[in-house]
Amino acid sequence: GENVEQHPSTLSVQEGDSAVIKCTYSDSASNYFPWYKQELGKGSQLIIDIRSNVGEKKDQRIAVTLNKTAKHFSLHITETQPEDSAVYFCAARTGRRALTFGSGTRLQVQP
Amino acid sequence: AAGVIQSPRHLIKEKRETATLKCYPIPRHDTVYWYQQGPGQDPQFLISFYEKMQSDKGSIPDRFSAQQFSDYHSELNMSSLELGDSALYFCASSSLEAGNYGYTFGSGTRLTVV
Repeated sequence: GENVEQHPSTLSVQEGDSAVIKCTYSDSASNYFPWYKQELGKGSQLIIDIRSNVGEKKDQRIAVTLNKTAKHFSLHITETQPEDSAVYFCAARTGRRALTFGSGTRLQVQP
Repeated sequence: AAGVIQSPRHLIKEKRETATLKCYPIPRHDTVYWYQQGPGQDPQFLISFYEKMQSDKGSIPDRFSAQQFSDYHSELNMSSLELGDSALYFCASSSLEAGNYGYTFGSGTRLTVV
């Protein structure tokens, strides 16, 4: 089955700096890669996703890049704000199969 | 917009008791997923249903069972509860037929086994 590894497990940045979270996956057939933000006591919220036929996708301060050859994808958050502080999970899926999640990154944005 | 509804939000049970968690997916979403998330851990996939049929099975213990009903809501039944079952249980729904590959998660049910 799919295995997703995520790094780093914790990340602390100053407000206004950029944050990068990286994930690798094992199943070369995986074709969908979402990122979720989980705040304390809340469900996970999809913040951006990318499909395997695209190398990069951007939505305002958030971008995701995908390298299919190397089987890794990354989340980039620019101009970080304190409200970006949360746990971020990457995930991967193949076709209709369930998502496999990474282990999560706790991002702390220091004001 | 309607979201995924889970009930109850919190549940406290004793060891060896049973628990039933409910999930109401977004209308017209055809797929429901159940995940278990322990403290400080990533969500672990338990089971999923597509059009009321079990479509995928993950690390769901034999003590647990789930089903999806004709109105598309799903229930996760947990028996002979153990302390290690204490976790946040998430339900998510998606609509693959509509090309909506992303999950919409419910807020979860926090189960505490004492």
